[in-house]
Amino acid sequence: AQSVTQLGSHVSVSEGALVLLRCNYSSSVPPYLFWYVQYPNQGLQLLLKYTTGATLVKGINGFEAEFKKSETSFHLTKPSAHMSDAAEYFCAVSDRSNDYKLSFGAGTTVTVRA
Amino acid sequence: GAVVSQHPSRVICKSGTSVKIECRSLDFQATTMFWYRQFPKQSLMLMATSNEGSKATYEQGVEKDKFLINHASLTLSTLTVTSAHPEDSSFYICSARPSPTSDYEQYFGPGTRLTVT
Repeated sequence: AQSVTQLGSHVSVSEGALVLLRCNYSSSVPPYLFWYVQYPNQGLQLLLKYTTGATLVKGINGFEAEFKKSETSFHLTKPSAHMSDAAEYFCAVSDRSNDYKLSFGAGTTVTVRA
Repeated sequence: GAVVSQHPSRVICKSGTSVKIECRSLDFQATTMFWYRQFPKQSLMLMATSNEGSKATYEQGVEKDKFLINHASLTLSTLTVTSAHPEDSSFYICSARPSPTSDYEQYFGPGTRLTVT
């Protein structure tokens, strides 16, 4: 079975600073990896995903993530935080062993300081 | 494209009553839909997988008689919370997997906030 660990339940950054959200996964077979963002009382919006191919994945709103198999990591970064980035972020994994059902991490709350 | 809607967005009901939540894929067909539950400040927990024309598959620990799922068409799945109690109060989110089968794609609805008084 697959699982996800998000390091840090809360991250606070200054506007314009680097955003780094950490995600480590466990999967016995090649994984698909995802980052989602959730604003209060809303559903999930896909930021980016890794399935196969290039390990550096670019997503929406300036976010990117790098799949590192040797480190079993899929950390999310954004070079310059914007106030609108304040939200909850979830890392998720799926693979064929579980019919590609998503397993989510606990989430990381991002606050952006002016 | 790939829009999923949920109705209602918010519902308040009295303890002991039943509540139905609809999940619709608006611009694509979905053989498979998923239902998640999210408690405040927590992650999403998969409750069940809904397959069109067949019985839903429930995750371990989810009461199938309490959370009735019907996936009657390729664009609609419903979740009925039967005999609701305050502990069923939660944020329920559905997602839909486009057909033909895309093994990793899921599009999420906006969620339904259920409050049981």
